[in-house]
Amino acid sequence: DVVLTQSPLSLPVTLGQPASISCRSSQSLVHSNGNTYLNWFQQRPGQSPRRLIYKVSNRDSGVPDRFSGSGSGTDFTLKISRVETEDVGVYYCMQGTSRIRTFGQGTKVEIK
Amino acid sequence: QVQLQESGPGLVKPSETLSLTCTVSGGSISGYYWSWIRQPPGNRPEWIGQIYYGGSTNYNPSLDSRVTISVDTSKNQFSLRLSSVTAADTAVYYCVRDWDGDSHFDSWGQGILVTVSS
Repeated sequence: DVVLTQSPLSLPVTLGQPASISCRSSQSLVHSNGNTYLNWFQQRPGQSPRRLIYKVSNRDSGVPDRFSGSGSGTDFTLKISRVETEDVGVYYCMQGTSRIRTFGQGTKVEIK
Repeated sequence: QVQLQESGPGLVKPSETLSLTCTVSGGSISGYYWSWIRQPPGNRPEWIGQIYYGGSTNYNPSLDSRVTISVDTSKNQFSLRLSSVTAADTAVYYCVRDWDGDSHFDSWGQGILVTVSS
């Protein structure tokens, strides 16, 4: 299985400051069709995961533009340009390149 | 936007079979892949398996021997059966649209907590 390793696992951030989460894959996430199926999800307390970013850097409809995704191959990053109160929650990277879909361990974002 | 809703028992006895149904509304189940995902308390989500509307399936090898996913296009539903459950199967179970032709996991149900206990 593809193993996704996120860091940090806990991220205390001051309101209005940037935040960055890393996701590293145990193997390249480039599919045979040339696409890279690395996605980012936000899970607020008591809610279902919500997709924020798909195929590395595509923002989903309704997602604030302070969220951005980047990376290639095995190294990926989710950035929040200015953290707001509503951004508190756990963030997961997830890969769909492999037949067996897998998730990272999650990064808990909290306000300092 | 398509909507998904899980239904089924919230309590299952050890060694019995967990059965859940996902009803899709606001769109057709046809043409897409659909998955079940579970999330034990405090843990990351775990992909259980997927089904194409035509009926072909793909399961996580870690659960393959106990999982069956089926689809009923006439009812716009797909279902999960997980046999011989133990306390380790206690989790929130989500149904998800797996593949929309371009990307994965864009739509999720609200989730249903299933507890395995006698």
